[in-house]
Amino acid sequence: QQQVKQSPQSLIVQKGGISIINCAYENTAFDYFPWYQQFPGKGPALLIAIRPDVSEKKEGRFTISFNKSAKQFSLHIMDSQPGDSATYFCAARRNAGNMLTFGGGTRLMVKP
Amino acid sequence: DAGVIQSPRHEVTEMGQEVTLRCKPISGHDYLFWYRQTMMRGLELLIYFNNNVPIDDSGMPEDRFSAKMPNASFSTLKIQPSEPRDSAVYFCASSESGGASDTQYFGPGTRLTVL
Repeated sequence: QQQVKQSPQSLIVQKGGISIINCAYENTAFDYFPWYQQFPGKGPALLIAIRPDVSEKKEGRFTISFNKSAKQFSLHIMDSQPGDSATYFCAARRNAGNMLTFGGGTRLMVKP
Repeated sequence: DAGVIQSPRHEVTEMGQEVTLRCKPISGHDYLFWYRQTMMRGLELLIYFNNNVPIDDSGMPEDRFSAKMPNASFSTLKIQPSEPRDSAVYFCASSESGGASDTQYFGPGTRLTVL
């Protein structure tokens, strides 16, 4: 059972544009929602994360929007740059055990 | 800190052989996770440990896979016998409970190819 669904699978954006990646979850016990960024040949690295008591978190050009009632959250990358080209994973964690459930990933390409 | 260390970085073996992947977590972290990444199935959690004790191994595909954590600074993932469908990138990650951050730190991965 896929508990975190991520879309789109791939995304092409022009430099300077906005990249938007969406995730939906099913388990209401999730209490922490991180986004990971992965470059080719590297392990995923934490980009930004949010807890369900806030609806938005912004760090530089990266923003998470969180809709608790809809059980959805999204990553917005403003002023997208070619260096942002990577695979992005959303994830969700239940309070117990520190275990993350990952979405399927989105391969982002930012064209110069 | 050197981060999570994995070895080898690349492994090529023949079907039926035993494969052992190694991981050294970040010092002081009490959680250790093993993941497998493939194009078809994405990033899957195989097993995780807390304070060297396996907590959840429900993601381990079958009895051919086993994992151990003999001490806080070392873990192994063993596949015996290996099969071509085990070809994937295997990641180890560690995290610290009770810290200011819930971040899981991933290693660089081991790319396994089973011929």
